Formats: sequence, structure tokens, C-alpha cells
Amino acid sequence: KAGVTQTPRYLIKTRGQQVTLSCSPISGHRSVSWYQQTPGQGLQFLFEYFSETQRNKGNFPGRFSGRQFSNSRSEMNVSTLELGDSALYLCASSLAVGQGAETQYFGPGTRLLVL
Amino acid sequence: AQKITQTQPGMFVQEKEAVTLDCTYDTSDQSYGLFWYKQPSSGEMIFLIYQGSYDEQNATEGRYSLNFQKARKSANLVISASQLGDSAMYFCAMRGLYNQGGKLIFGQGTELSVKP
Repeated sequence: KAGVTQTPRYLIKTRGQQVTLSCSPISGHRSVSWYQQTPGQGLQFLFEYFSETQRNKGNFPGRFSGRQFSNSRSEMNVSTLELGDSALYLCASSLAVGQGAETQYFGPGTRLLVL
Repeated sequence: AQKITQTQPGMFVQEKEAVTLDCTYDTSDQSYGLFWYKQPSSGEMIFLIYQGSYDEQNATEGRYSLNFQKARKSANLVISASQLGDSAMYFCAMRGLYNQGGKLIFGQGTELSVKP
């Protein structure tokens, strides 16, 4: 079974631009979560989607948004990019949303560099 | 609020020896899950092992075992017979089982280097 895939793997943008990252979960997984990883803040939860609905949201500004499609694929968007948005963005999928011991499986991440 | 603390920024271990990576946690949840992930330099987070707060037995997965001491709020990862491929960042994470959805709280990580 294929793992979680994320595209693109690498991205360079300039301040003020917007960016869209894509995540395809493991087949059969319906929950998708997004995390931001930076050297200073570590791994931080962005949001979680299940059945096309946002179920949980982290403490990030409104410039960060996401959505999930009927095939469980998810996208996240960051508008008006800032230098501090440079990070590794990780997507994780699980069968359901926070059901007991439900394990999240991560993709390889998208490395975003904002210049 | 939940918090994970990993006090070892970096560790070295000789190949074929065992190593323990420390993790302590704080939570007000009665039921929670503890996870360990490995992150090689490529960036992908690889799930290693899970321990539920209600599990009486320590979890084991191949060369990985979790030393769970609930009263001390610690969930240390033990890697037996270290291999060169074990060199990576290791993250401890937790989640409340009933009111947190899928949100994982991560520690700062421990960088493990395995020496030949």
C-alpha cells in the first residue's frame, strides 16, 4: 500500500506570495492532519480534516488555511507569505479522527523557503 | 495543557549497543496515548511505537520498546542492538484520547548518532 504523498517536495517563494501544498493520504485513510516544523518552534499542529470538515485547528493565523476533498486528499494554503513561514510542512493521515490509539502516518514533507 | 519534554538534545551510541531516549510528559487527561517517531535527514516522520495510558504492559515493536512509568509520567524509548541506520532525530509525542482529535503534541526531539 502506498504511503502518504506530498507535492511539491521543495518550494521557493518570495514574501507576499501565496502557496498551495498538496497531500494524498494512505488509501482508505479519511483523516488528514498538517504540521509545521521549524528549528525554533519544533513541530506544531496546524489543522485536521475528516470527511471534508475541519475538526481541529492549531494556533496559527488566518493566513493558513486548508481543505479536504471527497477523495480525502487535502491541500493547505498559506497566503501573504512571511519569512517566518519557511519550514517543513508535514502531512499525516489516519483511518479516522482521533479514535483511541489511531496512529498518524506521515508523508515526506514539503520544504518551503520564503525569500 | 499537554507538554512533552525530551531533555537530551543529542546522544551517541556504539553500534550493536542499546540506548535509551528519555521522554517525560505532562497532561491533565485521564486517557492518553504516547507515540515515538523517527525522522531521518530526509524529513519523513516514521512511526515506531505506541503506548496507551491504560496499557499495563510496556509496548514492544521489534528492536524498539517503550519503558512506560505512569506515576513518573515518563515514556522512554529503548532501542536494542543499535544499527547505523538508527542515526536520526527521535520525537516523543502524545495525544489525549477523547478530546484532542488527531492533534499530536511533540517534544523537541533527540538526535541520535550511532558510531561504527
